[in-house]
Amino acid sequence: DSGVTQTPKHLITATGQRVTLRCSPRSGDLSVYWYQQSLDQGLQFLIQYYNGEERAKGNILERFSAQQFPDLHSELNLSSLELGDSALYFCASSGTGNTEAFFGQGTRLTVV
Amino acid sequence: AQSVTQLDSQVPVFEEAPVELRCNYSSSVSVYLFWYVQYPNQGLQLLLKYLSGSTLVKGINGFEAEFNKSQTSFHLRKPSVHISDTAEYFCAVRSRGGGNKLTFGTGTQLKVEL
Repeated sequence: DSGVTQTPKHLITATGQRVTLRCSPRSGDLSVYWYQQSLDQGLQFLIQYYNGEERAKGNILERFSAQQFPDLHSELNLSSLELGDSALYFCASSGTGNTEAFFGQGTRLTVV
Repeated sequence: AQSVTQLDSQVPVFEEAPVELRCNYSSSVSVYLFWYVQYPNQGLQLLLKYLSGSTLVKGINGFEAEFNKSQTSFHLRKPSVHISDTAEYFCAVRSRGGGNKLTFGTGTQLKVEL
């Protein structure tokens, strides 16, 4: 158990809809990272938050957004969903001085 | 910017045989290197990491990897695999100066057969 919790584990929704994925980082970790794992794109970094502020941005679509709350949990919002957004979405966290990130179990999103 | 190449998408191997999973990287800055494993329907688990020092790094479950700066490689090895090692293995890099934003390779599916 990495200590990173993601909910829900599975999500099935229709095209055009909006969903929110939630991540609780390890206790005390200030950084949260979101990744997308899809068959065609592999594992891609989406976005990083550090103590509530956006720190780095990767290949994140404009339809996607994220935030980190004062209690350090993070949410990834995906809107106007398309079939191609079906993927496994991972959250990872790390603390100050950590040289590695700890991954959650992921949320499998299926868009139908 | 960094990139990671895992040339082998699938590696079949018999149980108790040795295995090597190849990883090459490209970066304009110094990097840290990682191998993660993903078992079916699970998240990513860190196998081992190279930060500095000895180029031979030992990880969990009997895996080891060797950092070769001149060849920009970080190949993963195990002298004798077990059925339970069947999983997908990802090589990843991150820059030393930045946070833990990782760039991953495309993964290698290791299939251990009896």
